[in-house]
Amino acid sequence: DAGVIQSPRHEVTEMGQEVTLRCKPISGHNSLFWYRQTMMRGLELLIYFNNNVPIDDSGMPEDRFSAKMPNASFSTLKIQPSEPRDSAVYFCASSFSLYGYTFGSGTRLTVV
Amino acid sequence: AQSVTQLGSHVSVSEGALVLLRCNYSSSVPPYLFWYVQYPNQGLQLLLKYTSAATLVKGINGFEAEFKKSETSFHLTKPSAHMSDAAEYFCAVQGGSEKLVFGKGTKLTVNP
Repeated sequence: DAGVIQSPRHEVTEMGQEVTLRCKPISGHNSLFWYRQTMMRGLELLIYFNNNVPIDDSGMPEDRFSAKMPNASFSTLKIQPSEPRDSAVYFCASSFSLYGYTFGSGTRLTVV
Repeated sequence: AQSVTQLGSHVSVSEGALVLLRCNYSSSVPPYLFWYVQYPNQGLQLLLKYTSAATLVKGINGFEAEFKKSETSFHLTKPSAHMSDAAEYFCAVQGGSEKLVFGKGTKLTVNP
């Protein structure tokens, strides 16, 4: 199993540009989570899906952030327009039932 | 609602010494509890989990944790630290849904 696959690993973009982060969960996992990690705020849950349906998006910071899961094997997190304060490491994780998550390696986003 | 408090954002030990990382949780329902480790520039890796079976849980790399309901604690220990244990460690609680709530993390330094 290749694990949770995130792309790109690194992204540098200019303020105001659209950024799309991608995630492929582990096959057979039915829940998918997007987290953001910063020094100041630690790990924050942005949104999670169960069976491709968004269950809780209360952590999404503002309307500039959106996430989709069109099928069981793919999810995107989009930021439009991006701002410097969005700079962080974004993690995707997947799980089956209540047995803990498997995390991807993360996308390090830098907005200049 | 669930929450986690990790006492000590930084812990430093000598190689061969006992490692003790503290975690206290709050949960309105019987919790599942987890410890994750994060090495630099990597995602989080599951160390061990408590899912209401044995209260003493053994994980990878010689780590273990004991669930103490009366103290609402789930401290992580390792009898003898190794240089390769240097990383950041996160305690997490899950209760009643798929959401994992993470603590702020404890950075472990191992001195030669």
